[in-house]
Amino acid sequence: DIVLTQSPALAVSLGQRATISCRASQSVSTSSYNLMHWYQQKPGEQPKLLIYDASNLASGIPVRFSGSGSGTDFTLTINPVQADDIATYYCQQSRELPLTFGSGTKLEIK
Amino acid sequence: EVKLLESGGGLVQPGGSMRLSCAASGFTFTDFYMYWIRQPAGKAPEWLGFIRNKANGYTTEYNPSVKGRFTISRDNTQNMLYLQMNTLRAEDTATYYCARAQLTHVMDAWGQGASVTVSS
Repeated sequence: DIVLTQSPALAVSLGQRATISCRASQSVSTSSYNLMHWYQQKPGEQPKLLIYDASNLASGIPVRFSGSGSGTDFTLTINPVQADDIATYYCQQSRELPLTFGSGTKLEIK
Repeated sequence: EVKLLESGGGLVQPGGSMRLSCAASGFTFTDFYMYWIRQPAGKAPEWLGFIRNKANGYTTEYNPSVKGRFTISRDNTQNMLYLQMNTLRAEDTATYYCARAQLTHVMDAWGQGASVTVSS
């Protein structure tokens, strides 16, 4: 299985940049796609797609969210962070089955 | 508007069975792969399996962690997705979500979840 490693938590001041990383145990990129996706989950809610294929913004997601990376290293950036962004962020790979998720990074406000 | 609504959760004894349902609306159901994902409280989501779309013959794939105990099916006349869970264990306690996915297994719509508790 592809293991995705995320830092447990990140504290950022409102209006500043948040950078959340996800490292895969093996490459999740093909010649055509970087098969890493990002979800936001607020307490008591279902996960919500933010970024797909590493860098594509999902429908309706604010442009302050962006993604980058390839191979094994990927980043979700939120700039500027707003109070509504307090949540846990998960990466998910679809390079191979079983599909796997990272353990999540909880975004906190300083 | 895309909507997914799970039902059928609750309390079940170890060794028991339960079937979850997911009602889909707002999109052409047969065009999409449909997924089940679960999430124990305070933990990360875990993909359980999916069922392919009409173009791919409605075949299924499962996470080895549940293969042989869980079965995914769909009723395309009713726009319903199902998860049959057998021989349930305490570690199956979780919130269970259905989701649909676009190309490359990107889950772009999720239900609100159904809570399953396996306990005596």
